[in-house]
Parts: sequence; structure tokens; C-alpha cells
Amino acid sequence: DAGITQSPRYKITETGRQVTLMCHQTWSHSYMFWYRQDLGHGLRLIYYSAAADITDKGEVPDGYVVSRSKTENFPLTLESATRSQTSVYFCASSDRGMTGELFFGEGSRLTVL
Amino acid sequence: AQSVTQPDIHITVSEGASLELRCNYSYGATPYLFWYVQSPGQGLQLLLKYFSGDTLVQGIKGFEAEFKRSQSSFNLRKPSVHWSDAAEYFCAVGANSGYALNFGKGTSLLVTP
Repeated sequence: DAGITQSPRYKITETGRQVTLMCHQTWSHSYMFWYRQDLGHGLRLIYYSAAADITDKGEVPDGYVVSRSKTENFPLTLESATRSQTSVYFCASSDRGMTGELFFGEGSRLTVL
Repeated sequence: AQSVTQPDIHITVSEGASLELRCNYSYGATPYLFWYVQSPGQGLQLLLKYFSGDTLVQGIKGFEAEFKRSQSSFNLRKPSVHWSDAAEYFCAVGANSGYALNFGKGTSLLVTP
């Protein structure tokens, strides 16, 4: 089915481990985004991408790495997970940047012990 | 600095009563304005958006919002709330100089019988 999917939906890891959250969209949208959602903070932008091989930092990029070699995929990597990165992560895509509707995945809940 | 404020963290309304959720923003020019809704365990869904023109915009699920430039506000309203409207509501703002939206911290809506 067409849409935007995130995997894994749930992940428990330990401090210091590398974790990659996957995001895949089937619409060929140019723009993709990673947000994290934390109680009391709402959604905060981690990284975004305007096209394949074009990425840029958002509000809270430290500790995260992204890549976008293909239009449909936008993985988010935590190089060395910390407890403060325990959060729900949402991937989103859009065909027109912010003037278009953002389509969100169902989220990936990450717990860092 | 650009900011989005949702003054109410939690709101409780009775089913059938009217609803107004507040959103204030601080941006240099007329921004792009959005309201998104998040049902429990789900990603966010667009309710409505405003870019220009008529300051009263209609959205899905019977919601509407009014842009008031003088008050820097974009409040969401619904004349009669249904139990299924219980969710988290996010106001989001974007500037035409960027690609990504800035989200408020959200307002949690509880609907009582």
C-alpha cells in the first residue's frame, strides 16, 4: 500500500549503542523530515531533506545522523544512544515543503536504558 | 525569535459543547499556519491550513480556524464536539524562507459525556 512507513515501531536499546530508524515513503515526495516528540516539548525537528542527497539540520540535530541516497528512504541514525534520546520519533514527507500537507508515519518509540 | 505558543496544555469539554483551541505565533511576516491532530498512538493528520486570502478557513471533521493578524493568532474552533475529537492538537507555523514547520507544544483535548 502507498504511504509512509517507519520501522521499527518499538525499540529498546542500551546507552552507547548505535540505532537506526528507518523511514520509507511511496509517493516520491521531495521533502522528508524527522521529528521527535517529548512530553512538554511537542514536536521538534531533528533533520530534514529537500531532495535526495540534500539534508539540513533542524532544531535538535546533535547526536543524530541522516542520509538520503534515494528519494523514498530517509533513515535516522543515533550513533551512540543516550538516555536523553528516549522519545517517539516521527518521520514525515511532503511534496511541496511546508506549503504542502505533511504526511506522518505512525512513529517509532525508542527507549534507551 | 520565531515561536509558536499554545497556551493551554489540557482542555476538557463536554460532548456537544463548543471548542476553541488557542494558538499564537511570533514571526516576521505573515506565516503559513496549520492545525494538526494526533489520535492516541498515531501520527499527525492535517486538519486545515492558511496561507492567504479569507481569514476563516474550513477544515476536515467540522473544524475551522480564524487568522487574526492583529492578535498574531490562529485559533481552532468547532461548534459541537464529539467524543471522537479527543486527541492532541498541534498548531504549526512556517515561514516562506524555509522548508520545515515549527510546531507548538500541543493541547490535549478530553471530551466528557
